[in-house]
Amino acid sequence: DGGITQSPKYLFRKEGQNVTLSCEQNLNHDAMYWYRQDPGQGLRLIYYSQIVNDFQKGDIAEGYSVSREKKESFPLTVTSAQKNPTAFYLCASSPPGRGDGNTIYFGEGSWLTVV
Amino acid sequence: DAKTTQPPSMDCAEGRAANLPCNHSTISGNEYVYWYRQIHSQGPQYIIHGLKNNETNEMASLIITEDRKSSTLILPHATLRDTAVYYCIVRVVNTNAGKSTFGDGTTLTVKP
Repeated sequence: DGGITQSPKYLFRKEGQNVTLSCEQNLNHDAMYWYRQDPGQGLRLIYYSQIVNDFQKGDIAEGYSVSREKKESFPLTVTSAQKNPTAFYLCASSPPGRGDGNTIYFGEGSWLTVV
Repeated sequence: DAKTTQPPSMDCAEGRAANLPCNHSTISGNEYVYWYRQIHSQGPQYIIHGLKNNETNEMASLIITEDRKSSTLILPHATLRDTAVYYCIVRVVNTNAGKSTFGDGTTLTVKP
């Protein structure tokens, strides 16, 4: 089935450790995104990438890093510099813009808890 | 991307129409209105989108005002499974991507 796969679904990290969240899509979409969601809050954009080997900071990029070496993959690393990393992380992708819009599609999310 | 404003919460009786408003007064001519919903701890699900004409699909209807400064998502016969957070966003068309900002959305509670 086509879609966006995020792994792991649940992840625990000790304070001071880096952790990488995986996001893979087989939809042949050019653009990919990472959002963070805190309990009871909306989605906030961390990073986005429009094409391979290119990415831009979103609204809350500090303490995070990404890479886009392949079209289908957009991993997110939560570094020790992120002061409050416990949250729900959502990966998304979208096809090239056309006359009928360019819908964003989401994965099922990853829960990160710092212990 | 233009910012949107939605009421934080709404209630609806099961079987009745749910009308969810969204204000996007700074929308540009090349921006679509998109609606998504999110059930707790899942990824947001696409519902519908439109540019200036009203749109309808199997899930909902989208009514956009003539000046495009606001829109309403209509769930014609709400069920308990429609209880979710609904997000209204705007996105530029004919581009490869671009950042899309989601606000806090509207929490819709459908009651028996």
